[in-house]
Amino acid sequence: QSVLTQPPSASGTPGQRVTISCSGSSSNIGSNIISWYQQLPRTAPKLLIYTNNQRPSGVPDRFSGSKSGTSASLAISGLQSEDEADYYCATWDGSLNSWVFGGGTKLTVL
Amino acid sequence: QLQLQESGPGLVKPSETLSLTCTVSGGSISSSSYFWAWIRQPPGRGLGWIASISYSGSTYYNPSLKSRVAISVDTSKNQFSLKLSSVIAADTAVYYCARLVGSHGGLDYWGQGTLVTVSS
Repeated sequence: QSVLTQPPSASGTPGQRVTISCSGSSSNIGSNIISWYQQLPRTAPKLLIYTNNQRPSGVPDRFSGSKSGTSASLAISGLQSEDEADYYCATWDGSLNSWVFGGGTKLTVL
Repeated sequence: QLQLQESGPGLVKPSETLSLTCTVSGGSISSSSYFWAWIRQPPGRGLGWIASISYSGSTYYNPSLKSRVAISVDTSKNQFSLKLSSVIAADTAVYYCARLVGSHGGLDYWGQGTLVTVSS
């Protein structure tokens, strides 16, 4: 079981707004910055969001991140077919003294 | 543009040691702003952090793997390496190397990954 909890799946139609949640605890999300990754089929993960809500250069502003307490969310607006991928949250866990990933959410664009 | 490339055997026998190297190009591994990490992904499953290291040798290990893992850095070759001993079938995975911003920040550059199969 992953230390960070994500829904295994999410879906939406083109143009819709979809939100993916990531739930943790005070030792990880509650006290550390979170990042989000997009993994397209058969490719390496790509950094999507860092420091809770910052986008690297080249990531569309359709992607946004937020954090509140021990939970975080990734929102994708104006959903496109190319957004179909697996999404992972990650952060440092001070109790485990370890990086931890969420279990991943498979996003399907209907 | 920074690039990372994993290299090493694609097949390792049970109980032996898995050895991988990540070569960094397009930038120096010797920056105090970054750590360098190994992450793995078993077939059909999620991501798992293995270990990370700074250019000066500061290390962090996944507690569940710590007894079997060693991460090292060679600044003269702009490389860092992973050794995982006493491998079992459950260690079969795609192994990625990546750059970590600070010690706890985001993983902003990734290698393409290399599949390592543990089988006799």
